[in-house]
Amino acid sequence: NAGVTQTPKFQVLKTGQSMTLQCAQDMNHNSMYWYRQDPGMGLRLIYYSASEGTTDKGEVPNGYNVSRLNKREFSLRLESAAPSQTSVYFCASNPPGGVGTEAFFGQGTRLTVV
Amino acid sequence: KNQVEQSPQSLIILEGKNCTLQCNYTVSPFSNLRWYKQDTGRGPVSLTIMTFSENTKSNRRYTATLDADTKQSSLHITASQLSDSASYICVVHYGGSQGNLIFGKGTKLSVKP
Repeated sequence: NAGVTQTPKFQVLKTGQSMTLQCAQDMNHNSMYWYRQDPGMGLRLIYYSASEGTTDKGEVPNGYNVSRLNKREFSLRLESAAPSQTSVYFCASNPPGGVGTEAFFGQGTRLTVV
Repeated sequence: KNQVEQSPQSLIILEGKNCTLQCNYTVSPFSNLRWYKQDTGRGPVSLTIMTFSENTKSNRRYTATLDADTKQSSLHITASQLSDSASYICVVHYGGSQGNLIFGKGTKLSVKP
């Protein structure tokens, strides 16, 4: 099992460009999450998907869109990147039982917007 | 306001020594509390999950405690190893929604030989 796989690992964007961060898990988990991690701050939830076909906003959803393509894949899209979106992005998933179970995180995507 | 505060911010200890990290929270209604270990450049890895009724939980050399009355948790690391050098993050889940998670800023632990 690969666990949670994120692509790309690194990305540099110019202000105004768009891109999609990909996340896939092979553990048959229902719930998937996107977080951002900034220096000196705790991880903050951007969006989550409790099950295939559903998505909900987290703490910091502005400037992002998500798609739960199927049970395995959950993508995060930046339509018009801004320097404030420079961050490390983590995807995570939980098995059935949701947040009562341990979350598995991907390795992260380091995004720089110049 | 729902908050999770961790202390200390950073800690340096010698290999083989024990240490204790603290987590205080003001989150309601409490659902569970978890500790994660995050190595530099990697994603967090779960160490323990504790519910309201659990006071102590161990995972190898890591022992977490929870006092739901005082809203405090601690993570005790025994006989530290160089590989314990990492950030340790306290996370509290509250309410019923899966999106209700508050992450602490973490404690950065450095274990020196």
